[in-house]
Amino acid sequence: DAGVIQSPRHEVTEMGQEVTLRCKPISGHNSLFWYRQTMMRGLELLIYFNNNVPIDDSGMPEDRFSAKMPNASFSTLKIQPSEPRDSAVYFCASRQDSHSGNTIYFGEGSWLTVV
Amino acid sequence: AQSVTQLGSHVSVSEGALVLLRCNYSSSVPPYLFWYVQYPNQGLQLLLKYTSAATLVKGINGFEAEFKKSETSFHLTKPSAHMSDAAEYFCAVGAGNTPLVFGKGTRLSVIA
Repeated sequence: DAGVIQSPRHEVTEMGQEVTLRCKPISGHNSLFWYRQTMMRGLELLIYFNNNVPIDDSGMPEDRFSAKMPNASFSTLKIQPSEPRDSAVYFCASRQDSHSGNTIYFGEGSWLTVV
Repeated sequence: AQSVTQLGSHVSVSEGALVLLRCNYSSSVPPYLFWYVQYPNQGLQLLLKYTSAATLVKGINGFEAEFKKSETSFHLTKPSAHMSDAAEYFCAVGAGNTPLVFGKGTRLSVIA
């Protein structure tokens, strides 16, 4: 079975540019999560969706960040304008919430560098 | 609110020695607890999880963890380290269908 698929795997962009990260969750999973990983702050939850609806976006750092989930098989995380401090690994993850305690499955990550 | 504390950002062991990675959690409700492993340039993979069944949980690659409610701990162990165990290990706590809260990770180095 295909896992969580993220693109691009690596992106280098200049400060001020728009960055769009994409995610395809595992088929049949109804929760989707965006996490950011940095050396200083570890893994932080940015936002999560349940049945395509944003449930908690309190982790989104500021208005420059936005996320959408137009359907059950696709989500985007957008940064506009990007800044060097946004450099991090962004992980998308998904889970089937048929019952409590199910496993969250992670994608390989999108490695973002803003110069 | 839930939180996780991983003691030691870096642990170094000799090949064949016991691996012990410490995790303490805080949760106001009965928790689910997870250990994930991250190899360089990869995403996180599930090692094992506790979901209120047996308190001693066995995972992949010979790892196991024991849930101790009285100590609010979920330490990860492996009797004999292998070079291939070198990676970053993350403890996480959740409840119900909430997102997981992760610790800051422990980097395990294995010395030949």
